[in-house]
Amino acid sequence: DVKVTQSSRYLVKRTGEKVFLECVQDMDHENMFWYRQDPGLGLRLIYFSYDVKMKEKGDIPEGYSVSREKKERFSLILESASTNQTSMYLCASSLRRVGTEAFFGQGTRLTVV
Amino acid sequence: AQKITQTQPGMFVQEKEAVTLDCTYDTSDPSYGLFWYKQPSSGEMIFLIYQGSYDQQNATEGRYSLNFQKARKSANLVISASQLGDSAMYFCAMREGGSGNTPLVFGKGTRLSVIA
Repeated sequence: DVKVTQSSRYLVKRTGEKVFLECVQDMDHENMFWYRQDPGLGLRLIYFSYDVKMKEKGDIPEGYSVSREKKERFSLILESASTNQTSMYLCASSLRRVGTEAFFGQGTRLTVV
Repeated sequence: AQKITQTQPGMFVQEKEAVTLDCTYDTSDPSYGLFWYKQPSSGEMIFLIYQGSYDQQNATEGRYSLNFQKARKSANLVISASQLGDSAMYFCAMREGGSGNTPLVFGKGTRLSVIA
């Protein structure tokens, strides 16, 4: 079974803190993604990576950065957390092959106070 | 511009009836794939069904089928014989290109409620 694991299910951070959201997959997938989910807005892509050390901006990269030093791990970094970054964050991974689905982690509910 | 449009924020269906969830997409790439995911209240994302742009037949997976109309750029999900456990958010998504190193782009979702 493919497993995508996010380091925290719930997280509460203060405004201005640097926040790290970690994601690990165990199926040797080339592609990894970070999405943000808000009610009424669906899933919006923040960043994705199709190889180690490679990253591409998604639709809403402002205020975020990412790191992919190893194939299995993709980290999302909030350099200085703000209240408008309170959201559900979903990590996903997939093979680099047409027609293959993405597998998702359980999500991290981040609250910035 | 929105690449995936789901026009139904919420829908109700009677148990055991069929329901169609709408999805239209926008792309100029001849090679793409369309996906449907289910998200129950637990929050997990469950892959349901896939349709490739070159597939001749509509995809089916158990009670799920995809009504693919390429000329209209629509990929509607049909759930037959609805069950109470089908109550969830449903997301349509697309991946463009033939290389496999592009992301899934999602619509805003449709919340389906199945009534006993």
